Amino acid sequence: DQQVKQNSPSLSVQEGRISILNCDYTNSMFDYFLWYKKYPAEGPTFLISISSIKDKNEDGRFTVFLNKSAKHLSLHIVPSQPGDSAVYFCAVLSGNTPLVFGKGTRLSVIA
Amino acid sequence: EAGVAQSPRYKIIEKRQSVAFWCNPISGHATLYWYQQILGQGPKLLIQFQNNGVVDDSQLPKDRFSAERLKGVDSTLKIQPAKLEDSAVYLCASSFTGKLFFGSGTQLSVL
Repeated sequence: DQQVKQNSPSLSVQEGRISILNCDYTNSMFDYFLWYKKYPAEGPTFLISISSIKDKNEDGRFTVFLNKSAKHLSLHIVPSQPGDSAVYFCAVLSGNTPLVFGKGTRLSVIA
Repeated sequence: EAGVAQSPRYKIIEKRQSVAFWCNPISGHATLYWYQQILGQGPKLLIQFQNNGVVDDSQLPKDRFSAERLKGVDSTLKIQPAKLEDSAVYLCASSFTGKLFFGSGTQLSVL
C-alpha cells in the first residue's frame, strides 16, 4: 500500500520552461514534506522542504506547494535548466516515523 | 565537510552467497540509516540507528539481513544468503538535525 505516490514516472520539458512534478500522499498525519534529487550513480540529495503549517516554500528557482485538503504537493522549477535533469523523489515524514519515499519522477530538460 | 562514504560501489555475487556493505557517516551524525532502492522504486528504509542502538528495523528481513553499528560510527550491512530479489542499490544516510545526507550507494547484482 503506497503512502506516497508519484504517478508520472517521467517528464520532459523544454529548457527555460516550467517543470511541475507532482506527489500525492494518503496519510493526513504527515507533517513534513521533502523533495530529493538524484543523479545517476549518486545518492539522493536534499532539495527543498515544507512543513504542514505552510502552503508554499520558495528557494531560488524551486518552489514547493502544499495542498493539505487534497493531500497533494508539487515542485515547480522555473526556469528549467539541462542540469536539472535527474530523478526527483517526494518524501514525507510524521513525528518519529522514518522518511517514506515515492517512486520518483525522471525529469529530462531538453536544450 | 566529507560526505557519507560507502564501499564497495558495485558488487556482483551469485545467489546464496553472502555480501557485506560498509558505511562511514558524516562526522558527528548520531543517526544512521540503511535504505534499499530497487530499480524503478523509491528508497525503502531497512534499518535506523541512533548512535549504536537500533531505532527501527521493522522492514529488515532479519532471516537474511543483519546490520551493526559498533562504537556508534561506522556501520556494516550484511546479506546471507543473497536472493535474486536483493538486487538493488543499498544507500547509507546519516543525519544530525533531521535532514538526511546520502552516500553514493552500493549497487548489488545477484545472479
